[in-house]
Amino acid sequence: NAGVTQTPKFQVLKTGQSMTLQCAQDMNHEYMSWYRQDPGMGLRLIHYSVGAGITDQGEVPNGYNVSRSTTEDFPLRLLSAAPSQTSVYFCASSYSKVVKGRYNSPLHFGNGTRLTVT
Amino acid sequence: AQTVTQSQPEMSVQEAETVTLSCTYDTSESDYYLFWYKQPPSRQMILVIRQEAYKQQNATENRFSVNFQKAAKSFSLKISDSQLGDAAMYFCAYRSGLYNNNDMRFGAGTRLTVKP
Repeated sequence: NAGVTQTPKFQVLKTGQSMTLQCAQDMNHEYMSWYRQDPGMGLRLIHYSVGAGITDQGEVPNGYNVSRSTTEDFPLRLLSAAPSQTSVYFCASSYSKVVKGRYNSPLHFGNGTRLTVT
Repeated sequence: AQTVTQSQPEMSVQEAETVTLSCTYDTSESDYYLFWYKQPPSRQMILVIRQEAYKQQNATENRFSVNFQKAAKSFSLKISDSQLGDAAMYFCAYRSGLYNNNDMRFGAGTRLTVKP
């Protein structure tokens, strides 16, 4: 029962470095998304995907890239890390609402990645 | 865009007592879904309870229940017989009923402390 698996759990980067946060789910969910969690701001949507080959921007997409080549994987790339990207990142997935009967599908979350950019 | 507001950054409750966490939301949609998630210190996000806007009956899950007031756009969470394990951050979340909008919007969270 893996669910949503995120790696790594912790990461420290220097300003300007790049890295990829990995996310994989084994529930055959069409919808996958990335959030960042900052104190006092809740979770904010970075990017999302409703299926392989389809991605779109959320509330705070600047500085991040995503791709979705398979149903299972949805990596998040930081192209040039900045201290403002210090945060906890969550990957989440669910059935897409275009599938009949799944309109109230909740999000299933990974365990998060704590990223520090110095 | 829809917004979710949790006006209580912190709450505390005595063990075995009842506490209510507040949540309001702003939307022009008539069909939507509301959720409460719990985040303990482990950082894991755990679904506590969900409510469909078309249902008048308030959802309940064991010691957790909601007071859903659609006209007032209010969705509060009541925790009865509070336990030490209930101490966590609680997030209220909104999801549109539109078939082509899967996004979930979250409030800023309420940190609940349970006193023994």
